[in-house]
Amino acid sequence: DAGITQSPRHKVTETGTPVTLRCHQTENHRYMYWYRQDPGHGLRLIHYSYGVKDTDKGEVSDGYSVSRSKTEDFLLTLESATSSQTSVYFCAISETKGENTIYFGEGSWLTVV
Amino acid sequence: SQKIEQNSEALNIQEGKTATLTCNYTNYSPAYLQWYRQDPGRGPVFLLLIRENEKEKRKERLKVTFDTTLKQSLFHITASQPADSATYLCALDILNTGFQKLVFGTGTRLLVSP
Repeated sequence: DAGITQSPRHKVTETGTPVTLRCHQTENHRYMYWYRQDPGHGLRLIHYSYGVKDTDKGEVSDGYSVSRSKTEDFLLTLESATSSQTSVYFCAISETKGENTIYFGEGSWLTVV
Repeated sequence: SQKIEQNSEALNIQEGKTATLTCNYTNYSPAYLQWYRQDPGRGPVFLLLIRENEKEKRKERLKVTFDTTLKQSLFHITASQPADSATYLCALDILNTGFQKLVFGTGTRLLVSP
């Protein structure tokens, strides 16, 4: 298994509170991604990073911010959680920017009540 | 609009038979296509990648075809086993940006009965 650790694995939070999900990798891969997975939508890219302090928006970035201060850590922050952000969040990593395998973490289940 | 379609209904087959899953796409011109397996409560796991200039790719009991004219990929599992039961996702690369961005289908659930 690729060395990807997501934390927390499960969280319940209230609407309007900030939430940070952490992704930690031990593979020294340059590229990191945050996806969310919802029934009927499949996996959708939220943000991605192509290096320390280099990040960009994905398909569904509204309401989310990210930071990458170290190669191994990629943080996803929900500034003010809403019920529509209840989802399963997956971190992923890849070694190069082109054609190659993406390795996924085990997921973080977030419920916003 | 751009779309990737996988059969949302579960596919039920008998052990030993060949399972065939379909991925159709519109308005994309992917350089390659990937297939992933996802078990309940787990992250997706990469299975196979096929490039636009490849018609077919095999790995053990798995076979993938890629028809860029039909805009379709077929994923076959031969001699299927109950352990093959999972959801299978196809993903297209949008390489035009020069950066790998995968767009995923919603997946098809495969159930293999003993």
